[in-house]
Amino acid sequence: LAKTTQPISMDSYEGQEVNITCSHNNIATNDYITWYQQFPSQGPRFIIQGYKTKVTNEVASLFIPADRKSSTLSLPRVSLSDTAVYYCLVGESSYKLIFGSGTRLLVRP
Amino acid sequence: GAVVSQHPSWVICKSGTSVKIECRSLDFQATTMFWYRQFPKQSLMLMATSNEGSKATYEQGVEKDKFLINHASLTLSTLTVTSAHPEDSSFYICSAKESPPNSYNEQFFGPGTRLTVL
Repeated sequence: LAKTTQPISMDSYEGQEVNITCSHNNIATNDYITWYQQFPSQGPRFIIQGYKTKVTNEVASLFIPADRKSSTLSLPRVSLSDTAVYYCLVGESSYKLIFGSGTRLLVRP
Repeated sequence: GAVVSQHPSWVICKSGTSVKIECRSLDFQATTMFWYRQFPKQSLMLMATSNEGSKATYEQGVEKDKFLINHASLTLSTLTVTSAHPEDSSFYICSAKESPPNSYNEQFFGPGTRLTVL
């Protein structure tokens, strides 16, 4: 399983765009990149998943360079309710997920 | 979207007792479910993979006789913490993958169960 490295914490302000980068140098050919969000005392919530290039949904964008050794989760115009821990996971489609330390995002007024 | 529930949402028990936590996939069938444990300010730690109709696969360092897992149907997996002790106090979270699996790796997580052992 590919190991991931993320910043431990990030601070931002309401209305700003937040980009969280994750390194996964040992990503395998069959691995997908998935991001989850977790609020205190809740289970993680799926945000977005991608394999290469760019993926966008209603809440975020995921940028993956050609070498796939890193990925960036982009949250447009964050609000206070986006304060949470964000996890980057890398794994094959039918395999278990191993969570790293995650990035604790704090959005300030 | 797919919904996973857990019951109970929180439980307090005395040391030495056993506690059962249920994980249900409400609107889909799940051949595979996963159990995680999370201590305060820490990440989720995978405990075991639960497969319907077969024995669970435990991660290294997780005692299978301590944490009994039963996946008797495609919508229900249970985790029983046997002879619980204060150090077992934690947030237990389950997740489920749809069966047959879709093309992505999305797991649907339950809301978690807070276990406090006195």
